[in-house]
Amino acid sequence: QVQLVESGGGVVQPGRSLRLSCAASGFTFTNYAMHWVRQAPGQGLEWVASISYDGTNQYYSDSVKGRVTISRDNSKNTVALQMNSLRAEDTAVFYCARAWGDSYGDYWGQGTLVTVSS
Amino acid sequence: DIQMTQSPSTLSASIGDRLTITCRASESSSTWVAWYQQKPGRTPKLLIYRASNLASGVPSRFSGRGSGTEFTLTISSLQPDDFATYYCQLYNNYRWTFGQGTKVEIK
Repeated sequence: QVQLVESGGGVVQPGRSLRLSCAASGFTFTNYAMHWVRQAPGQGLEWVASISYDGTNQYYSDSVKGRVTISRDNSKNTVALQMNSLRAEDTAVFYCARAWGDSYGDYWGQGTLVTVSS
Repeated sequence: DIQMTQSPSTLSASIGDRLTITCRASESSSTWVAWYQQKPGRTPKLLIYRASNLASGVPSRFSGRGSGTEFTLTISSLQPDDFATYYCQLYNNYRWTFGQGTKVEIK
């Protein structure tokens, strides 16, 4: 069955970096674009970044552009989110999701919590 | 960037009620809209894609309509399992835009 498992979350001080990872299984990873979506405590869903099936194109929300890099390793079926210069407002659960081409997320992971606090 | 305005933000309803949630796009979005259900502490679950297509395994009491700038999600007869928060989503050019969410509460 399709599985997306995020890891790498935790407590980090403002200004520091964190790298999230999402391990995919149960489907042909190279057929899908991958997205990261975050949800601050008690708030709604916010799209963060996406990467095309082959990794050649990356897209970012204005709120993270310049601080975040999305990448994927199709040999390991993983997608990563490198986050730098973290701020308190980056505190959120981060979900990875797959999408067939330029479309919606049909499967989402369970999320990993990032807390930015001194 | 296209914005999605979702209403209402909260909806109080009873079992058996018919509910409609609306999302309005700031620009025409064709039919590239999906709807999700999220329960507290859980991951979002896809309900509707391409405005009106029911995702696999989703009960037929859920339906979606719309095109261009106005989209709706309807629950024809609210069931106990339906109390949750619902989000619309625009997908376009590998970017996603979510509505603010509608929390469906027990009246």
